[in-house]
Amino acid sequence: DSGVTQTPKHLITATGQRVTLRCSPRSGDLSVYWYQQSLDQGLQFLIQYYNGEERAKGNILERFSAQQFPDLHSELNLSSLELGDSALYFCASSVAPTGRRGETQYFGPGTRLLVL
Amino acid sequence: GQNIDQPTEMTATEGAIVQINCTYQTSGFNGLFWYQQHAGEAPTFLSYNVLDGLEEKGRFSSFLSRSKGYSYLLLKELQMKDSASYLCAVRDNTGGFKTIFGAGTRLFVKA
Repeated sequence: DSGVTQTPKHLITATGQRVTLRCSPRSGDLSVYWYQQSLDQGLQFLIQYYNGEERAKGNILERFSAQQFPDLHSELNLSSLELGDSALYFCASSVAPTGRRGETQYFGPGTRLLVL
Repeated sequence: GQNIDQPTEMTATEGAIVQINCTYQTSGFNGLFWYQQHAGEAPTFLSYNVLDGLEEKGRFSSFLSRSKGYSYLLLKELQMKDSASYLCAVRDNTGGFKTIFGAGTRLFVKA
């Protein structure tokens, strides 16, 4: 158990819909990262937040958005869902966003999203 | 841009040693990670290298050569439970700190 929690574990929805994925980082971690992992692809970095502010952006679609709240939990919002958005969405957390060893990321169990 | 290459699949025998290679190209290298991921599960941290050389941790060791853009993960005394994907990830500080993951190497350990 990494200490990172994600809800829900599974989500089934229809094309065109909007969903919200939630992540609570490990106690004491200020950084939250979101990743997408499709069946035939590696982990794709989406976005990172540090202490409530956006820190780095990866290949995140405009239909997707995220935020980190004052209590440090984060939400990833996916809208106008398409079949291709079906994937495992992982959240990870770390102590700090710098290059120190403490930046090791600890991953949550993931949310499996299926768009029908 | 950034690019990470690692073999797609490898097979090894229980009790043996296997080396998984990773080459990378990045403009703002700031460390290299290895993660293990069992199918359908979250990646778990194995090792971190930021300086050249070998880091040993039990049955697992990781090596880095920054001048060559090269790393390897060495697994000794292989066990069946080591069958998993091994992800090489590079931290890049160009335009904000980002960790870029390779596609992973799927390792099959056979009896």
